[in-house]
Amino acid sequence: GENVEQHPSTLSVQEGDSAVIKCTYSDSASNYFPWYKQELGKRPQLIIDIRSNVGEKKDQRIAVTLNKTAKHFSLHITETQPEDSAVYFCALSSTSGTYKYIFGTGTRLKVLA
Amino acid sequence: GAGVSQSPSNKVTEKGKDVELRCDPISGHTALYWYRQSLGQGLEFLIYFQGNSAPDKSGLPSDRFSAERTGGSVSTLTIQRTQQEDSAVYLCASSLYTRGYTFGSGTRLTVV
Repeated sequence: GENVEQHPSTLSVQEGDSAVIKCTYSDSASNYFPWYKQELGKRPQLIIDIRSNVGEKKDQRIAVTLNKTAKHFSLHITETQPEDSAVYFCALSSTSGTYKYIFGTGTRLKVLA
Repeated sequence: GAGVSQSPSNKVTEKGKDVELRCDPISGHTALYWYRQSLGQGLEFLIYFQGNSAPDKSGLPSDRFSAERTGGSVSTLTIQRTQQEDSAVYLCASSLYTRGYTFGSGTRLTVV
């Protein structure tokens, strides 16, 4: 079945620097790509999403880019802050008209003050 | 309600016992999902309900796991004859068609 590869598994950046997390997939029919942030001991929360008819979407310091040809999408966080430290999961919607998500394995981001 | 509600928040059970985990989705959300998250791991899909359609059970790890959704709202995930490897956080989420999931706070299950 569909799977999503997410890299890196851990990422440490200095406060104020940018962080980039990348996910690759194989099913070209995937059409919805959300990103979730999970702080320690808390539920995953949607932070940004993108649909297959859009190449880039931005929300303040967070942006997501999608390259349908290469089948990868990336999360970009600029001007990182300590509160950005969390585990980030990419996901994509399964095909065949369902809304089941397949999640990546997660990236643990540490922002060093 | 305002969010997805799960109960209990924590459950400790003895190996071999059955457990029931409950999820109350956001009112009006047509889709409901169960995922499992082992310590430090990703989100493993278990089962998905969409409206009146037959559920997608393709992620259930064994026949000890089952779930139902009554009246298109509340869902119960049942694990029979629990094993230590069942210990994890069980997350429920709901969504309205193509919008993003809203997750509950999860049930932390510990099998001793």
